[in-house]
Amino acid sequence: SQQGEEDPQALSIQEGENATMNCSYKTSINNLQWYRQNSGRGLVHLILIRSNEREKHSGRLRVTLDTSKKSSSLLITASRAADTASYFCATGMIKAAGNKLTFGGGTRVLVKP
Amino acid sequence: DGGITQSPKYLFRKEGQNVTLSCEQNLNHDAMYWYRQDPGQGLRLIYYSQIVNDFQKGDIAEGYSVSREKKESFPLTVTSAQKNPTAFYLCASSIGFLNTEAFFGQGTRLTVV
Repeated sequence: SQQGEEDPQALSIQEGENATMNCSYKTSINNLQWYRQNSGRGLVHLILIRSNEREKHSGRLRVTLDTSKKSSSLLITASRAADTASYFCATGMIKAAGNKLTFGGGTRVLVKP
Repeated sequence: DGGITQSPKYLFRKEGQNVTLSCEQNLNHDAMYWYRQDPGQGLRLIYYSQIVNDFQKGDIAEGYSVSREKKESFPLTVTSAQKNPTAFYLCASSIGFLNTEAFFGQGTRLTVV
């Protein structure tokens, strides 16, 4: 079963607009990460937020984490056509057997020029 | 260059055959992961390994097997017991400690013919 679930599943915006997507998860986590995937390619890490952090920035990206609601959001400001991709959240949990990284279903973002 | 390499990029399998997907990393990472991605879907964890000679089942391990005899290598065998193996397979690695990002290979697209 998926630990993280993204919302919306798909998003279409104009270049220059902001894109916001959300991630909800079910169990306690050590960290939450966001990744980007261009069609047919591997994933690229964007940002990691620890469970004791509430907000983090990286360039045009802003991530928030609310552990009481078990949710996170990713905001991409001033979007560009090159931001067209799928975005995934992943939750990191330390288990007795190791560091398990579980992904959600993703949000497909289309930025129209 | 440091990185994670998957081969082959495309693989065709006849029904009833076992096939092995290669994953090699030269990042000196302890943890390695295998994920399956179906069209338009998120990533589902097949197996993960925290250390050499040890690995754990993920959420969809049935019909798959792995080995971790060397730190840099984590091959995945798709056995004939996997009834619907056509998918995009992604390998990843991470340092393995708490709160670290994962690095992904470019994937292997497996098709049953």
